[in-house]
Amino acid sequence: DTAVSQTPKYLVTQMGNDKSIKCEQNLGHDTMYWYKQDSKKFLKIMFSYNNKELIINETVPNRFSPKSPDKAHLNLHINSLELGDSAVYFCASSQGPSGAEETQYFGPGTRLLVL
Amino acid sequence: KQEVTQIPAALSVPEGENLVLNCSFTDSAIYNLQWFRQDPGKGLTSLLLIQSSQREQTSGRLNASLDKSSGRSTLYIAASQPGDSATYLCAVFANYGQNFVFGPGTRLSVLP
Repeated sequence: DTAVSQTPKYLVTQMGNDKSIKCEQNLGHDTMYWYKQDSKKFLKIMFSYNNKELIINETVPNRFSPKSPDKAHLNLHINSLELGDSAVYFCASSQGPSGAEETQYFGPGTRLLVL
Repeated sequence: KQEVTQIPAALSVPEGENLVLNCSFTDSAIYNLQWFRQDPGKGLTSLLLIQSSQREQTSGRLNASLDKSSGRSTLYIAASQPGDSATYLCAVFANYGQNFVFGPGTRLSVLP
């Protein structure tokens, strides 16, 4: 069974569209994260949720809105997609509230291409 | 602001060689440092987690060391195998923030 799963795996869409990426973890972890890996392969955190509450919200355009219906799910909704949003988006989870002492487990990534 | 760099950016070695990957960070105030492996088109897999109070961690053929005062960590891979080919990322968890800061990675190719 996949510990952290994301759907879709690939997403190709036009500029201006609204899209969502879903993430689910079956590890029973309390904390979930969204990361963005750009074309230069730098991985940067976007959001962190602990027990459905937002903990980290890095400098991310407000077109990006995370939603956590329960602690096993953290979905990412993106409004008015722009070319610069093209990247690989990774979901991750950890047991602890901050990941400071915990290993983070990553999903396989969602490759978003905005045309 | 914490910055993480990794040297070399890419490395190609013949099978069987021992090798060292380097990671440097600018702010020594960290909770821990973690080494990850990323295979092409896939997510990250955690390899080793070193807490700030520790000097090293070992798992199989992998050994990671941490020198917090100098802002450095090394990942030592013994007797490399073609299956070790991947990108290796180090990440530090800063004291003042609540998130990992990642390096750009070292792309390793082990040739049969």
